[in-house]
Amino acid sequence: DAGITQSPRHKVTETGTPVTLRCHQTENHRYMYWYRQDPGHGLRLIHYSYGVKDTDKGEVSDGYSVSRSKTEDFLLTLESATSSQTSVYFCAISPGAGNTGELFFGEGSRLTVL
Amino acid sequence: EDKVVQSPLSLVVHEGDTVTLNCSYEVTNFRSLLWYKQEKKAPTFLFMLTSSGIEKKSGRLSSILDKKELSSILNITATQTGDSAIYLCAASYNTDKLIFGTGTRLQVFP
Repeated sequence: DAGITQSPRHKVTETGTPVTLRCHQTENHRYMYWYRQDPGHGLRLIHYSYGVKDTDKGEVSDGYSVSRSKTEDFLLTLESATSSQTSVYFCAISPGAGNTGELFFGEGSRLTVL
Repeated sequence: EDKVVQSPLSLVVHEGDTVTLNCSYEVTNFRSLLWYKQEKKAPTFLFMLTSSGIEKKSGRLSSILDKKELSSILNITATQTGDSAIYLCAASYNTDKLIFGTGTRLQVFP
């Protein structure tokens, strides 16, 4: 199994509070992604990174920011959480550079915003 | 707008049945079509298809891509209760980005 660790795995927070989810990989893969999964919507890309300090937006990036200061860590931050951000968040990694899209996923982080 | 559509949304079968899951895509700069299986947690990779008409097989599972019809199917023969899961289809485009369908929930009963 790909070495991907997400933390925290479960979090309950209140509207308006900041939240940071962490993804840590031991595979030295170039690409890292944050997805959210909601019923009826499948997996939707929030942000992704193609290298240290290189990030870009996905299809549902509003309300989220990311940072990647080291190859192994990719942080997802909700500056002011809202109830619509209640979801399961998955981190994924990919070696990139000619890889045609296979991703390896972490176990997910369930976030509940009250 | 890029999109991936899966059908049916849900499927209930008995052990031993054969099922076919469908995936259609409209994606700019298409590169490959991928299938994942999601049980309780993380999606796990099943197949990646890049060439039209070439079947990929893994045990009782097989999949094929039709680039002319912009579609793919995933077949599962002699289903078992362990096949119960959500099956996700995704299209790869541009530089290592995937767009996912909403998935097909398969339930296999004894």
